[in-house]
Amino acid sequence: GQSLEQPSEVTAVEGAIVQINCTYQTSGFYGLSWYQQHDGGAPTFLSYNALDGLEETGRFSSFLSRSDSYGYLLLQELQMKDSASYFCAVDFSGGYNKLIFGAGTRLAVHP
Amino acid sequence: DTAVSQTPKYLVTQMGNDKSIKCEQNLGHDTMYWYKQDSKKFLKIMFSYNNKELIINETVPNRFSPKSPDKAHLNLHINSLELGDSAVYFCASSHFQRSGMNTGELFFGEGSRLTVL
Repeated sequence: GQSLEQPSEVTAVEGAIVQINCTYQTSGFYGLSWYQQHDGGAPTFLSYNALDGLEETGRFSSFLSRSDSYGYLLLQELQMKDSASYFCAVDFSGGYNKLIFGAGTRLAVHP
Repeated sequence: DTAVSQTPKYLVTQMGNDKSIKCEQNLGHDTMYWYKQDSKKFLKIMFSYNNKELIINETVPNRFSPKSPDKAHLNLHINSLELGDSAVYFCASSHFQRSGMNTGELFFGEGSRLTVL
């Protein structure tokens, strides 16, 4: 079967750094995506890692280790607006972006 | 100008009824999806169409029937609604990529919240 594991909740203060981990077990693997979803909103794409290593996009970075079936999302200089749910998702389709999502990590940023 | 739009945004209906949700994308994508998000926020793929052809059909009751009249539209019809169908249904779209060239990026609509009483 397919499974993705990520923490259910993370709490941090404004200005801090937080790391959200994701481990996966899937029958195929083309890449790991990260999505952000605010309450009542749509999931929005943050990043995608197909190869091992770190990808940086502004305050957000994402890391992948294919040999360890592990990735993480790093959020720096946290702001209140970063309070949301964050989902990792494995693409195992080969072309059609068939994504299997983790259960999501709820991040609460406090002043 | 909304990229992926779904209607209606809210649906409240009785058990046993039939309902439809419509989705349109103006991004020029050739692949569209339906995802279901339950009360625990778990997002699960239901269907995917590429250029009007069904390519992904997960284990979904056959009361759910997708239809893609053209590559910019993907509708979802649900027959004989049950309490367990209550969820938020998200439409999404993406470009088809050759293997190894995936971007992992889906563009989601704002969701349609279905409540079955």
